[in-house]
Amino acid sequence: KAGVTQTPRYLIKTRGQQVTLSCSPISGHRSVSWYQQTPGQGLQFLFEYFSETQRNKGNFPGRFSGRQFSNSRSEMNVSTLELGDSALYLCASSLGQRRGTEAFFGQGTRLTVV
Amino acid sequence: LAKTTQPISMDSYEGQEVNITCSHNNIATNDYITWYQQFPSQGPRFIIQGYKTKVTNEVASLFIPADRKSSTLSLPRVSLSDTAVYYCLVGDSRDDKIIFGKGTRLHILP
Repeated sequence: KAGVTQTPRYLIKTRGQQVTLSCSPISGHRSVSWYQQTPGQGLQFLFEYFSETQRNKGNFPGRFSGRQFSNSRSEMNVSTLELGDSALYLCASSLGQRRGTEAFFGQGTRLTVV
Repeated sequence: LAKTTQPISMDSYEGQEVNITCSHNNIATNDYITWYQQFPSQGPRFIIQGYKTKVTNEVASLFIPADRKSSTLSLPRVSLSDTAVYYCLVGDSRDDKIIFGKGTRLHILP
């Protein structure tokens, strides 16, 4: 079956703009999580959605938001982009069971803010 | 908040067995321990998961002592393609987040 698909793969934006990233999970998976990866901070948890509800949130400012649709596809939005938002944004899908769930990651979206 | 501690980096040679140990002193009773592998510019890939004692699959083994305060990922007969970053994770039962640590950068030499 198809894996996790993230679009676009690469993106260049200007400071102050906003951006929307998309994630299509594996069919049947109801949980989608988002992560930011930078060389300095590593993989940091942004938020998790399960059945269209945000179930958990990391320590990121309100400029970072997300949503999940009824078909489990998810989007994340970053408003008022800053240079420090340049990162690889990863999406992971899973069945959604608490703890111990195997998560499948997409290839990521490489965002560059100039 | 459960945290993990791993060595920052390790070197080994092709054909050797590699053991990477992770400390997780505050692991909760219901938490599982999961290991992921990540290559540059790719998303992490699930390797193995366990709760206690020993788990083995086609690519690795996971050893967890009785107190569950640490775990060891064992990669048998590594090859150059095993060069990657390996992350140890524990599920946090208090807030349900999945927290990645800094990972261990494993470098396999010919």
